Amino acid sequence: QLQLQESGPGLVKPSETLSLTCTVAGGSTSSSTYYWGWIRQPPGKGLEWIGSIHYSGSMYYNPSLKSRVTMSLDTSKNQFSLNLSSVTAADTAVYYCARKTVGASNPFDSWGQGILVTVSS
Amino acid sequence: QSVLTQPPSASGTPGQRVTISCSGSSANIGSNTVNWYQQLPGTAPKLLIYNNNQRPSGVPDRFSGSKSGTSASLAISGLQSEDEADYYCSAWDDSLNGWVFGGGTKLTVL
Repeated sequence: QLQLQESGPGLVKPSETLSLTCTVAGGSTSSSTYYWGWIRQPPGKGLEWIGSIHYSGSMYYNPSLKSRVTMSLDTSKNQFSLNLSSVTAADTAVYYCARKTVGASNPFDSWGQGILVTVSS
Repeated sequence: QSVLTQPPSASGTPGQRVTISCSGSSANIGSNTVNWYQQLPGTAPKLLIYNNNQRPSGVPDRFSGSKSGTSASLAISGLQSEDEADYYCSAWDDSLNGWVFGGGTKLTVL
């Protein structure tokens, strides 16, 4: 059974870079079948897709965040990562990692439990 | 402001049937399939409906989805107290080249 687990600092200072890692168990990040993604949810608000990455190197980023987002994949550790630069209080959110099957409209079918990241000095 | 529009709240009594709407445009719902997620309090979202009307294994058939034009709906029949949750619709947007979500609908079981 696939399990996804987010990890990283729970507190980031304004203007710094938020860095999170998602560790995958029960599945492989080197599979050509899946994209691996990040979605966030500000406290009390809705979901916002951040980006998705594929083993081949294909990546899609939310246009509103694209200038600040970098995603990478480490198949040796079965992990993928998110870097979000120049953070502000508006980036405070629960960050989820998730998996989706390749195919235009296929959904995110497995999610991590989420990690709360607070941006504050 | 979410790209997909959902009512902020919905409610029903046990046993009732409730529907939640999701309105979009030709760039998203009009040209791609719709997925629905259920988020129970304090937990991660869970896939509830995919490809407009398909249920993943383990999702009760009380949950159903439909799509027409640029709108979609989630229906829950035989409402139960454990259905109290937030529900989100989602679709790929061809103009944004990315995934968009509705703002979410908080379902209350009275």
